[in-house]
Amino acid sequence: DVKVTQSSRYLVKRTGEKVFLECVQDMDHENMFWYRQDPGLGLRLIYFSYDVKMKEKGDIPEGYSVSREKKERFSLILESASTNQTSMYLCASSIDSYGQPQHFGDGTRLSIL
Amino acid sequence: AQKITQTQPGMFVQEKEAVTLDCTYDTSDPSYGLFWYKQPSSGEMIFLIYQGSYDQQNATEGRYSLNFQKARKSANLVISASQLGDSAMYFCAMRENDMRFGAGTRLTVKP
Repeated sequence: DVKVTQSSRYLVKRTGEKVFLECVQDMDHENMFWYRQDPGLGLRLIYFSYDVKMKEKGDIPEGYSVSREKKERFSLILESASTNQTSMYLCASSIDSYGQPQHFGDGTRLSIL
Repeated sequence: AQKITQTQPGMFVQEKEAVTLDCTYDTSDPSYGLFWYKQPSSGEMIFLIYQGSYDQQNATEGRYSLNFQKARKSANLVISASQLGDSAMYFCAMRENDMRFGAGTRLTVKP
């Protein structure tokens, strides 16, 4: 079974801090994704990566950056955390094909105080 | 731009009845995939069913079927014989290169 692991289930940080959310997958998937989930808005794509060191902006990249130095790891970085970035963050990975589903991690509930 | 639209924020269905969750999408790419995911209160995202843009027949997986109307850009999920355990959030998604999701529909199954 595919395993997508997010480093923290819950995280509390302060405004202005630099925050790192880590995601690791164990199935050699080319594609990895970061979403945030807010009530009534569904899952909104922040960034995705289609290969190592390759990334594309999603719908809401402002205030975020990503890093993918190794195929199995995709990091989301909040450069200077703000209260409006309080949310549930979901990482996903998949094979590089429009016919393949994504496999999700358990999510990180991030609170910015 | 919103590519996936789910117009039903909440739906109720009686146990053992069928229910249809609506999804419309927008794309000019001829190659794409459509997916439905279930998210129970525990939070995990569970893949339910897939339909490819070139598939001629509607996809089915057990009690789930996808009513694919390509010309209307519609990909509705039909759940037959609803069970209490079907109560959850349901998300429609479309994959071109990336994957985008709709806002979701919260389904509540009544005993």
